[in-house]
Amino acid sequence: SQTIHQWPATLVQPVGSPLSLECTVEGTSNPNLYWYRQAAGRGLQLLFYSVGIGQISSEVPQNLSASRPQDRQFILSSKKLLLSDSGFYLCAWSGSQRADTQYFGPGTRLTVL
Amino acid sequence: DQQVKQNSPSLSVQEGRISILNCDYTNSMFDYFLWYKKYPAEGPTFLISISSIKDKNEDGRFTVFLNKSAKHLSLHIVPSQPGDSAVYFCAASELNNDMRFGAGTRLTVKP
Repeated sequence: SQTIHQWPATLVQPVGSPLSLECTVEGTSNPNLYWYRQAAGRGLQLLFYSVGIGQISSEVPQNLSASRPQDRQFILSSKKLLLSDSGFYLCAWSGSQRADTQYFGPGTRLTVL
Repeated sequence: DQQVKQNSPSLSVQEGRISILNCDYTNSMFDYFLWYKKYPAEGPTFLISISSIKDKNEDGRFTVFLNKSAKHLSLHIVPSQPGDSAVYFCAASELNNDMRFGAGTRLTVKP
């Protein structure tokens, strides 16, 4: 069966520091991968999605970037965190169609101070 | 531009009664609809889905109804249990396009 991992579970970082959140998927090949941020009252905001290694699409302009160095690894990064980057970050995977059911990881709570 | 809307941020229901969570959408091209359940500090989990060729899908205590003409879907939970207390997200997608999520409805089931 497929499983999706995210770490760390919680992170407290100072403003201006770098960020690296990692997501890995097991039990499937060539998944679509997604990064979301959950904001209060706004549901799940799609930040990035990837249909393959090195292929990243961004949904919104922002202070963050994503990379997919391996088929089942998806990384969310920032060079310098802003206060507004605080939030709950979720990684998800789906089959090869972007409309396929998505399955989420446990999430990372990021607090920028 | 929110294409998927959950207009009720919260709902409180007594244990054993029916919970009805509502969702409206604006994009008539959506053809696949899903409900996710989310506990605090956890990722959402897939609950139930329905394609546009159906108007009802049932899975145990959970039933999703789709009214395409009204661009409305609902999730019925019968009977509601305290463990159902969570935030429920409605989502919709069209072929080869991104899934869109509503803002969520927090359901509280009181014992």
